[in-house]
Amino acid sequence: EPEVTQTPSHQVTQMGQEVILRCVPISNHLYFYWYRQILGQKVEFLVSFYNNEISEKSEIFDDQFSVERPDGSNFTLKIRSTKLEDSAMYFCASILQETNEKLFFGSGTQLSVL
Amino acid sequence: AQKITQTQPGMFVQEKEAVTLDCTYDTSDPSYGLFWYKQPSSGEMIFLIYQGSYDQQNATEGRYSLNFQKARKSANLVISASQLGDSAMYFCAMREVRGNNDMRFGAGTRLTVKP
Repeated sequence: EPEVTQTPSHQVTQMGQEVILRCVPISNHLYFYWYRQILGQKVEFLVSFYNNEISEKSEIFDDQFSVERPDGSNFTLKIRSTKLEDSAMYFCASILQETNEKLFFGSGTQLSVL
Repeated sequence: AQKITQTQPGMFVQEKEAVTLDCTYDTSDPSYGLFWYKQPSSGEMIFLIYQGSYDQQNATEGRYSLNFQKARKSANLVISASQLGDSAMYFCAMREVRGNNDMRFGAGTRLTVKP
């Protein structure tokens, strides 16, 4: 089965630093998502992206966050100035089209902000 | 707005027995999809089963079945013949057709299978 690929699997950064989390969605998929999961808590929606623009974002996705699809394959999440509370697992997901299909999730990037 | 409720933070089941994980949801969209994902300790999200709001029959996938009661807005996951490898977090999720297609998750249930 095709996979969503996320790199790195684990990233450690200092508070206030910028981080970029990278994702390669499944090649023919059109809708892309970022979710985060703070340790032991629920999976929270951050942002959805379609046709090179944000289609929806949650209240978590403030001005410190941005997403980009810089080329035909990568989908990135940038956190401009990390805070301690940004420490979480970040999941990328993608889907082919607007149907009720499952989201294909990547294996996640564990971000640790020190 | 979507709302997914999983009222069981933790569940225990004896190996080889069946277990039901509860999920209720709230939506005003007549067309939606319900999903269950498994998250083992390694952290990845593993898709288990899907139920469409217009599906007439309950979904089944191997040992997993979804007890879909539309009028009650519940979508409970039934795992038959539990195995030790079933120990994990289980998340119920929903996507609305008219929404922006993002998937919203419940708080999860931690299932522990005892030998």
